Amino acid sequence: QVQLQESGPGLVKPSGTLSLTCAVSGGSISSNNWWSWVRQTPGKGLEWIGEIYHSGSTNHNPSLKSRVTILLDKSNNQFFLTLSSVTAADTAVYFCARTQTTSWNVGYFDNWGPGTLVIVSS
Amino acid sequence: DIQMTQSPSSLSASVGDRVTITCRASQNIYSFLNWYQQKPGKAPKVLIYAASSLQSGVPSRFTGSGSGTDFTLTISGLQPEDFATYYCQQCSSIPFTFGPGTKVDI
Repeated sequence: QVQLQESGPGLVKPSGTLSLTCAVSGGSISSNNWWSWVRQTPGKGLEWIGEIYHSGSTNHNPSLKSRVTILLDKSNNQFFLTLSSVTAADTAVYFCARTQTTSWNVGYFDNWGPGTLVIVSS
Repeated sequence: DIQMTQSPSSLSASVGDRVTITCRASQNIYSFLNWYQQKPGKAPKVLIYAASSLQSGVPSRFTGSGSGTDFTLTISGLQPEDFATYYCQQCSSIPFTFGPGTKVDI
């Protein structure tokens, strides 16, 4: 069973950069899966941030694209999220997740990390 | 972006009840629709993918149906562990988007 675990600072200052790591265990990040970041706020609910494939290809939510970078480290089986120029609106629980894709190209998040709360405040 | 709506936003039910939650997409998403269950302080858990396929390990009392723009999640015989919030999510086009959720409580 694949397990994911987010880590990173729980407090980021406004205008700073949020940086999170997702460690993957029980499976390879080089498998035929996309790896995603999703966040959750009381106000906006669940919001997909973006995803990365082991080739390095990425897709992003256009609402965040200019501020988001997603990278991966195959040697350590982990992937990363950076979100720049953060404001209080970026305060959220951040989840990493694996996308499973069916033969007819339906993708769904079948494994999630427990989530990590990031607060943007001075 | 494809907008997802859900109804009702919350409902009260009893153990043993049959519960139906509706999800609507702002445009045709064929069967590119997933359902998740989330309990407080936990990550979402996939129940149904591709509108009607039951995820491995999920009880058969959960069923999904629909295609195009209108979808339903039905829980037949609500169990105590089913009290949670349920979300639909479209995977037809980027950005993937979620519904606002339906909270099922007693």
